[in-house]
Amino acid sequence: GDSVTQMEGPVTLSEEAFLTINCTYTATGYPSLFWYVQYPGEGLQLLLKATKADDKGSNKGFEATYRKETTSFHLEKGSVQVSDSAVYFCALSDWTGNQFYFGTGTSLTVIP
Amino acid sequence: DVKVTQSSRYLVKRTGEKVFLECVQDMDHENMFWYRQDPGLGLRLIYFSYDVKMKEKGDIPEGYSVSREKKERFSLILESASTNQTSMYLCASSLSGTGLTNEKLFFGSGTQLSVL
Repeated sequence: GDSVTQMEGPVTLSEEAFLTINCTYTATGYPSLFWYVQYPGEGLQLLLKATKADDKGSNKGFEATYRKETTSFHLEKGSVQVSDSAVYFCALSDWTGNQFYFGTGTSLTVIP
Repeated sequence: DVKVTQSSRYLVKRTGEKVFLECVQDMDHENMFWYRQDPGLGLRLIYFSYDVKMKEKGDIPEGYSVSREKKERFSLILESASTNQTSMYLCASSLSGTGLTNEKLFFGSGTQLSVL
């Protein structure tokens, strides 16, 4: 069945460091791919999405490119801030758009 | 602004109690979902619903039931709470997928349930 695997955390970075969180997926058909972010004490909110191969999703300085050949959707940011400290979830929706599958989440802490 | 509202932010219950977790969305979404979130396990789907009075089991339905009497409301029921049901519960909703444009999930803020 469909699934998502993302790198284990926690990740601790200094402010202005480069961030990569790896995500790979297994899916039949043509899934859409998402990154969700969960700030402390809150629910998940959509950070970015990509709906087809080679699409790049971007938001708030974060980027991820839908790579069908490597079945990956890695999250990157060139210069992290303390306010980026959160848990990041990679997810996919199946070809129907009705079912969603999540990775286990990666906790990021950015220190000043 | 679109909203998914969960009735309680924190809840403390005793073992054996019947527990209701309520979720309401104001976006006229067809799909609604209940997940639980545990450290190291991510989000696991408990139940979902694609329409009023309709429900489908997710990956971990044991010990839970749901009710969807109205489109905007999706309730999660713990018939007899147990300590291993202590968790963060997240409700989410989405538009019905067309298969052409995949929709996104909107989440509530979560209910942290402690069963003592």
